[in-house]
Amino acid sequence: DTEVTQTPKHLVMGMTNKKSLKCEQHMGHRAMYWYKQKAKKPPELMFVYSYEKLSINESVPSRFSPECPNSSLLNLHLHALQPEDSALYLCASSRTRGGQTYNEQFFGPGTRLTVL
Amino acid sequence: AQSVTQLGSHVSVSEGALVLLRCNYSSSVPPYLFWYVQYPNQGLQLLLKYTSAATLVKGINGFEAEFKKSETSFHLTKPSAHMSDAAEYFCAVSSSGGSNYKLTFGKGTLLTVNP
Repeated sequence: DTEVTQTPKHLVMGMTNKKSLKCEQHMGHRAMYWYKQKAKKPPELMFVYSYEKLSINESVPSRFSPECPNSSLLNLHLHALQPEDSALYLCASSRTRGGQTYNEQFFGPGTRLTVL
Repeated sequence: AQSVTQLGSHVSVSEGALVLLRCNYSSSVPPYLFWYVQYPNQGLQLLLKYTSAATLVKGINGFEAEFKKSETSFHLTKPSAHMSDAAEYFCAVSSSGGSNYKLTFGKGTLLTVNP
């Protein structure tokens, strides 16, 4: 299984809603990532988890809250988002080697988020 | 610090013509280099990678890229374009040592294939 899955595919939410994005992989990867991608732009790194611990937070606003409940799952909890947060949210995973993250990243199909 | 520059935000070719997408990188340490493809409303798929082995790297779907250290380039080529190659292509770099978990992406090149 060389696949990263993400649910839901599409999500529409109001600014007062709380929702969660989910990501799952069964490749035994111990590094997982959240990216945000706006239209016609490259992905922007948001968070990195390594061995289920948050290792990088790219100064993301607190209305985005990541969670890694186990080595296969990664969640992104959303609360009080703004319309400018509308984007494609991509999850990725990669192997680690000797504690360092080996950077061939496998991406999921993404969740298309619209904030009204 | 590392960075990637993709020359040409939009490349248009005819079906059957050569595809050449340009990527130049900047890295203070030996880099790992990647090309990803993104079809509309999909995630990124790895086409090929350079990780300090052979300088000519072959990938999926007939694509290949050559690492040229003297030119700090990693251009992507395909001898004959297919309609199905139409997509956004991203070049990315990460460092080969230390905290190499970060991928730095170029701005992307949209490839259009004309019949």
